[in-house]
Amino acid sequence: GESVGLHLPTLSVQEGDNSIINCAYSNSASDYFIWYKQESGKGPQFIIDIRSNMDKRQGQRVTVLLNKTVKHLSLQIAATQPGDSAVYFCAALYDKVIFGPGTSLSVIP
Amino acid sequence: NAGVTQTPKFQVLKTGQSMTLQCAQDMNHNSMYWYRQDPGMGLRLIYYSASEGTTDKGEVPNGYNVSRLNKREFSLRLESAAPSQTSVYFCASSTDRGEKLFFGSGTQLSVL
Repeated sequence: GESVGLHLPTLSVQEGDNSIINCAYSNSASDYFIWYKQESGKGPQFIIDIRSNMDKRQGQRVTVLLNKTVKHLSLQIAATQPGDSAVYFCAALYDKVIFGPGTSLSVIP
Repeated sequence: NAGVTQTPKFQVLKTGQSMTLQCAQDMNHNSMYWYRQDPGMGLRLIYYSASEGTTDKGEVPNGYNVSRLNKREFSLRLESAAPSQTSVYFCASSTDRGEKLFFGSGTQLSVL
């Protein structure tokens, strides 16, 4: 079966530092991975995606790394800001989208 | 351009009552989804509709029914609500199957 999971349910970082949120997936059949951000009381919001033919993709202050050998992806947030405090979900597309349980990121001013 | 609109935002039901959650999107997306979110369990897919006229079961379909009324609207019905269905429900849509989902703001449902 397919499962997607995260290594840490919570993460605290100092404002200005870089954040790294990790995710593992069980089935290598997926060719598309996505990161979402969910702020309190809101629906998840798309951050960045990556296809399996890529190892790295960069957006504005965010980078996603994909290691297909160990079935692991990570989200890196540069110069973390208070507005980055949220729950972050990784997801993988199989015949349907499977979400991980989420990592709650807290930014310490 | 409102994106994905869900109604109601909050609802309290008694066990055995029925209700329908409404969802509409104005982005001309083909695919629509219903998820439930429970603490510590992420988002779990209830049902999805890859295109107008089709619906398919997700991970947790028991106790729910859906209707893809037209391309814009996708409703979720609880025929006989149970306390285990207390959750936050999210509707989402995407251009293509599973890619870059756009979510509504959610419905918080409590079943007593």
